[in-house]
Amino acid sequence: QVTLRESGPALVKPTQTLTLTCNFSGFSLSTSGMCVSWIRQPPGKALEWLARIDWDDDKYYTTSLKTRVTISKDTSKNQVVLTMTNMDPVDTATYYCARTRSAAAGAIDSWGQGTLVTVSS
Amino acid sequence: DIQMTQSPSSLSASVGDRVTITCRASQSISNYLNWYQQKPGKAPKLLIYAASTLQGGVPSRFSGSGSGTDFTLTITSLQPEDFATYYCHQSHSMPNTFGQGTKLEIK
Repeated sequence: QVTLRESGPALVKPTQTLTLTCNFSGFSLSTSGMCVSWIRQPPGKALEWLARIDWDDDKYYTTSLKTRVTISKDTSKNQVVLTMTNMDPVDTATYYCARTRSAAAGAIDSWGQGTLVTVSS
Repeated sequence: DIQMTQSPSSLSASVGDRVTITCRASQSISNYLNWYQQKPGKAPKLLIYAASTLQGGVPSRFSGSGSGTDFTLTITSLQPEDFATYYCHQSHSMPNTFGQGTKLEIK
């Protein structure tokens, strides 16, 4: 059974750096074709794809945030970390980590429950 | 970046109806199109991947079609549990992108 769980601060101040950790089980990021993505959703708004890291350590970022976002993995710990610098109130959102499989045409087939991050002073 | 445009943004329908949601890509994405269902307060759930492949456990009343730039999600015989927001997602190119969502409401 695949499970993912996001953890991190619920509240950050403007200009601070956000660090979110995704702990997962039921698959390995050392397996060919496995990937972990981060997606966010501001309250009442649409999903926004943020970043992805692949089994071979390839990394991809959304264009509008690529200067602020970094994704990394620790395969031995089954962890993926997302950092986002210079947080702003518009970054208030629920942040999801999710498994992506290249064998499923890059679809996101398992999601964490999400963690709400509020940016406020 | 590839833009994904869904229509309609919202839709009212009754139990038992057949509904169709459309997603259009700003450039060809072959069949790298996925559909998700999201209920309030919950994470999205994958329904269909590669435009027309039903994810395991998803009822057969859901179907997807299309290729290139135009795609559709069809739900036949709507059930009460189908009222939710639906998103398309292109996984053809980086960065991936989502549509803006279609909220399906009870008439």
